[in-house]
Amino acid sequence: DAGVIQSPRHEVTEMGQEVTLRCKPISGHNSLFWYRQTMMRGLELLIYFNNNVPIDDSGMPEDRFSAKMPNASFSTLKIQPSEPRDSAVYFCASSRRGDNSPLHFGNGTRLTVT
Amino acid sequence: GENVEQHPSTLSVQEGDSAVIKCTYSDSASNYFPWYKQELGKRPQLIIDIRSNVGEKKDQRIAVTLNKTAKHFSLHITETQPEDSAVYFCAAQRGGNKLVFGAGTILRVKS
Repeated sequence: DAGVIQSPRHEVTEMGQEVTLRCKPISGHNSLFWYRQTMMRGLELLIYFNNNVPIDDSGMPEDRFSAKMPNASFSTLKIQPSEPRDSAVYFCASSRRGDNSPLHFGNGTRLTVT
Repeated sequence: GENVEQHPSTLSVQEGDSAVIKCTYSDSASNYFPWYKQELGKRPQLIIDIRSNVGEKKDQRIAVTLNKTAKHFSLHITETQPEDSAVYFCAAQRGGNKLVFGAGTILRVKS
């Protein structure tokens, strides 16, 4: 089991550019979560999917952020246009849907917007 | 919705001493309480979890206790070692809903 796979590991971009983060969940997991981590705000849940359907996107900061899950093995988080305050580590995590299923995190994408 | 508070925010202990981190939650229907350890520059990893039908769970030097009446749960690390230094997060979940994390505790083990 390769675990949750995220790409890229690091992304440096200029303000105003579009950024796309990618995630492949663990095979067989049908819940997928996107988190953002900063020193100031800790681990924030941005959005999560069950069976590829977005369930709760209340954590998405604004319309510049969007997420998709076209199939069970792939999800993207897009920021357009990016701003310096978006700089953070973005984690994708997956779990089996249902009660009390442990969350498995990917290695994260460190985003720097200059 | 669920709210999880975690204390302390930082904790320094001498190697070999015990460390205790405490969390409180607001939703009495929450029934799953995992703890994650995050080393510097790495991803959070599950170290132990407890379900609401159990009051205590132990795994070697790590134990978690749950008090459902008071709505709090704690992580206990005994005989701390330098490699225990990390950020620890508690979390709470109700049914199949999203996991809500505490703000984290930075644990430093001094050798």
